[in-house]
Amino acid sequence: NAGVTQTPKFQVLKTGQSMTLQCAQDMNHEYMSWYRQDPGMGLRLIHYSVGAGITDQGEVPNGYNVSRSTTEDFPLRLLSAAPSQTSVYFCASSYSQGKETQYFGPGTRLLVL
Amino acid sequence: EDQVTQSPEALRLQEGESSSLNCSYTVSGLRGLFWYRQDPGKGPEFLFTLYSAGEEKEKERLKATLTKKESFLHITAPKPEDSATYLCAVRSYNTDKLIFGTGTRLQVFP
Repeated sequence: NAGVTQTPKFQVLKTGQSMTLQCAQDMNHEYMSWYRQDPGMGLRLIHYSVGAGITDQGEVPNGYNVSRSTTEDFPLRLLSAAPSQTSVYFCASSYSQGKETQYFGPGTRLLVL
Repeated sequence: EDQVTQSPEALRLQEGESSSLNCSYTVSGLRGLFWYRQDPGKGPEFLFTLYSAGEEKEKERLKATLTKKESFLHITAPKPEDSATYLCAVRSYNTDKLIFGTGTRLQVFP
């Protein structure tokens, strides 16, 4: 199993540009989530999904969109990038939302100029 | 409001010098406490899950313990390869979402 994969590894955007961060998992996990990690702050939840067709907002959802059309994929879309969205983004998955351990991808480093 | 506080922020140890990392938490009903290891430029790697006070888990030189207010990650005779940032997270019955601490950056020198 490849586990949780993310693309791209690194991206530079200009303010106002849009882009999609890709996340895929091959473990048949129902629960998937997106976090951002900033210096001096813990990982913060952006959006999550408990299964295909179901998504919900996390702690910091503004400026981001998600969709979940398949169990395997959970892309994160930045509609109009802002410098405040410069961060490292991690995708995670688990069998369910409950007690299950979440497994993280390698991350996407995003720089918005 | 659910909160997680980790201390110290950074810890420098000599190889073989045992120590402990602390994770204090406030949650409305603990559903689970998680420890992760994160190497620079990589995603968090799962270490342990603890569910109830008194529970302990071990893996190589690491041992995690849990009380009703805090968790400790004990590192016995650390080696330079144990150098990493260690993250603590909790999930409560109230929000059912993972709340992360800011981590402890551990450096072990030979």
